[in-house]
Amino acid sequence: DQQVKQNSPSLSVQEGRISILNCDYTNSMFDYFLWYKKYPAEGPTFLISISSIKDKNEDGRFTVFLNKSAKHLSLHIVPSQPGDSAVYFCDVEMGKLIFGQGTTLQVKP
Amino acid sequence: DTGVSQDPRHKITKRGQNVTFRCDPISEHNRLYWYRQTLGQGPEFLTYFQNEAQLEKSRLLSDRFSAERPKGSFSTLEIQRTEQGDSAMYLCASSHGLADYNEQFFGPGTRLTVL
Repeated sequence: DQQVKQNSPSLSVQEGRISILNCDYTNSMFDYFLWYKKYPAEGPTFLISISSIKDKNEDGRFTVFLNKSAKHLSLHIVPSQPGDSAVYFCDVEMGKLIFGQGTTLQVKP
Repeated sequence: DTGVSQDPRHKITKRGQNVTFRCDPISEHNRLYWYRQTLGQGPEFLTYFQNEAQLEKSRLLSDRFSAERPKGSFSTLEIQRTEQGDSAMYLCASSHGLADYNEQFFGPGTRLTVL
């Protein structure tokens, strides 16, 4: 019973272009959604979050969009940089974190 | 370095042996979490502590697993009679635990290989 789903295991984009990472969830009662980023040999680090009362949150090059009716959120990275290459996890916060499977982003120079 | 630290970073053991991992959270953080990550999957919640009290345990945490946080500071995760299926990355995280939402800060993880 995967409550948070990231259906694209990988994504490759050219430097300077937009990266769009997608996530679907099952429970309309979820309040807080987050994106974490993970580099090899490191633990995940918090990237950006959004409350269920909002539909957009922006932080520099990163924007998260929430579509509650579709139970879908997406992370946009503009412009993408090679240093953004990492695994991105979509999460729901319920005291503990419920992680999606992750999407590996590769940004090519 | 004031981040979350975990020890050891890597552990190789034979099936049937016991192993223990340690996590030192950020010093002012009240909450401490353990997660497990297997290849190709996101981390899965195992258990968490508010100070020294263990408040929630996942069904993933079988009887062979035990976690402690005796003084509300560092925590240990012990796996008894290890099985090959226990091979994974074990991640520890901590947070303030004082607000409705708490950013969790993760350590680098302990990679366990059971032969």
